[in-house]
Amino acid sequence: GAVVSQHPSWVICKSGTSVKIECRSLDFQATTMFWYRQFPKQSLMLMATSNEGSKATYEQGVEKDKFLINHASLTLSTLTVTSAHPEDSSFYICSAKLGHEVRGYTFGSGTRLTVV
Amino acid sequence: RKEVEQDPGPFNVPEGATVAFNCTYSNSASQSFFWYRQDCRKEPKLLMSVYSSGNEDGRFTAQLNRASQYISLLIRDSKLSDSATYLCGGGGSARQLTFGSGTQLTVLP
Repeated sequence: GAVVSQHPSWVICKSGTSVKIECRSLDFQATTMFWYRQFPKQSLMLMATSNEGSKATYEQGVEKDKFLINHASLTLSTLTVTSAHPEDSSFYICSAKLGHEVRGYTFGSGTRLTVV
Repeated sequence: RKEVEQDPGPFNVPEGATVAFNCTYSNSASQSFFWYRQDCRKEPKLLMSVYSSGNEDGRFTAQLNRASQYISLLIRDSKLSDSATYLCGGGGSARQLTFGSGTQLTVLP
């Protein structure tokens, strides 16, 4: 089945540094990738929608200069958390919509970011 | 109002019980609905797509009621391994998937 490979699966970084998260679609072309964030015991909250070859669309309240998204190819989208702070510690997960509605959306395995 | 609202939970049920979760959605333009299962510290995994005609997969039955704008998931003969958080999600043909807040299910021995 369709697979989205997400790396790294976990990362610990110092406050003020930047972290890049990659999502690759392995056996299909993902023209659109969705980036979610999930805090403990909360639901997945959409941060931004990444479109190949164009600027990402950010949800209200999400700083585009802090969460940089690049979708330069049909198989790769990246999220960079710049100048990370402890409050950015969360579970970040990407998702791509599959071609047929009935197949839903496929998710990367998520990245657990801890900023110390 | 949230776009997708879900039963608050948590649900603690004995093994073998039948349990039902509901979600309501506010965006009538939503076309596709899904139930996902999320285990602790893992990504959501698709459990079922939801159709107006209803669909069943073993012990799991999903229903969509477009007139009332709600979707449901029924789990029969629950197993210990069913313990997880269940997320409902809805989206349009080009829209992102919007999730409910999730319902935590614990099946007790």
